[in-house]
Amino acid sequence: GAVVSQHPSRVICKSGTSVKIECRSLDFQATTMFWYRQFPKQSLMLMATSNEGSKATYEQGVEKDKFLINHASLTLSTLTVTSAHPEDSSFYICSAPLGAGRYNEQFFGPGTRLTVL
Amino acid sequence: GDSVTQMEGPVTLSEEAFLTINCTYTATGYPSLFWYVQYPGEGLQLLLKATKADDKGSNKGFEATYRKETTSFHLEKGSVQVSDSAVYFCALRNYGGSQGNLIFGKGTKLSVKP
Repeated sequence: GAVVSQHPSRVICKSGTSVKIECRSLDFQATTMFWYRQFPKQSLMLMATSNEGSKATYEQGVEKDKFLINHASLTLSTLTVTSAHPEDSSFYICSAPLGAGRYNEQFFGPGTRLTVL
Repeated sequence: GDSVTQMEGPVTLSEEAFLTINCTYTATGYPSLFWYVQYPGEGLQLLLKATKADDKGSNKGFEATYRKETTSFHLEKGSVQVSDSAVYFCALRNYGGSQGNLIFGKGTKLSVKP
């Protein structure tokens, strides 16, 4: 099946620094990728939809200047948490649908655990 | 808005026990329903799905039936194995609402002891 990877798997950073998380589709191309955030004991919440070659679409309440998304190629999307603060500590998960349709079956990365001290 | 509620875990069972993980949903219209499974260190994987009322999704011995009258999609397996230990997420996709995005429950951690 289709494989999505994320790097790093976990990261610890100091408050005020920026952290970049990579999401790659390893054996298929993805014009769309999704970024989710999951707080402990909470649901996965969609943060934004990453679109190759155009601007990302952010969900209501998600600060686009804080969570920068770049979909530079058909296999790579990056999420940069700028000026991270402890409240940004969370589990970040990306996914990509197989094929051109955004409603096609999504394949998920293993997630990135971000801890901001 | 649309939402999914699933039973809180963790759930601990002995091998060969019967498993039920409850899931109910709130949505306008006719959403599609899903169960995803996340094994340790891996991404979520689609386990099964149902797209209309009374449909039964099944895979790997797991099954769930789309019950519109009770707005439920409970996951069941007759005899669990140690290898079924994972976190299970119930989800819906409502093309008429929530812009077709996946809406997830909080997840239920299952541990199966030998």
